Amino acid sequence: ETTLTQSPAFMSATPGDKVTISCRASRDIDDDINWYQQRPGKPAVFLLKEASTLVPGVPPRFSGSGYGTHFTLTINDIESEDAAYYFCLQHDNFPPTFGGGTKVELK
Amino acid sequence: QVQLQESGPGLVKPSQTMSLTCTVSGGSVRSGDYYWEWIRQRPGEGLEYIGYIYYNGNTKYNPSLKSRVFISLDTSRNQFSLSLNSVTAADTAVYYCARGLFDTYYYGVDVWGQGATVTVSS
Repeated sequence: ETTLTQSPAFMSATPGDKVTISCRASRDIDDDINWYQQRPGKPAVFLLKEASTLVPGVPPRFSGSGYGTHFTLTINDIESEDAAYYFCLQHDNFPPTFGGGTKVELK
Repeated sequence: QVQLQESGPGLVKPSQTMSLTCTVSGGSVRSGDYYWEWIRQRPGEGLEYIGYIYYNGNTKYNPSLKSRVFISLDTSRNQFSLSLNSVTAADTAVYYCARGLFDTYYYGVDVWGQGATVTVSS
């Protein structure tokens, strides 16, 4: 089973900031990682697939990068509506596993 | 736009079997393009993949839960269900149903349900 270590667990940002979230895999998973956003009481939203491909309809301020074992989710010019829980998912091998999540708070 | 909605008892007694159903709207569980999945999140922990069922009835379960899990499909009602037997307090969690992308290869979850809280307690 692949372990995904996500950091930080919590961060506080000011609107307009650039935010970066990291996800490190315990083994090489190519680019088989997705990113999601979840607001309280709402279904999680699919943001990025294959590490860097933006899902249609997701604002372009969201971007992703990485390959192998280290991946990042970046939110440029963060907005108040981006306050949420973010997590990564690897689908390279079974069972799919998840990062521990990052709670992003907006000041 | 496909939506998934979990339903089922929120309270289950230890040693019993918990059951949840996911109703799919805006899409069909008969599609060969998707896996129909269950995922859970225990309090204070990360998400844990439980397993999936494919339109043809094929299933695959996380080895950590394999001995206690059963996922089934009801195409007439466009639903799929999760059963977990011999539950303990450690099975208290928010349970999510989800849809996974499949095209000769699995590409991960693309649609999530809102989640259903299940508490195991006497």
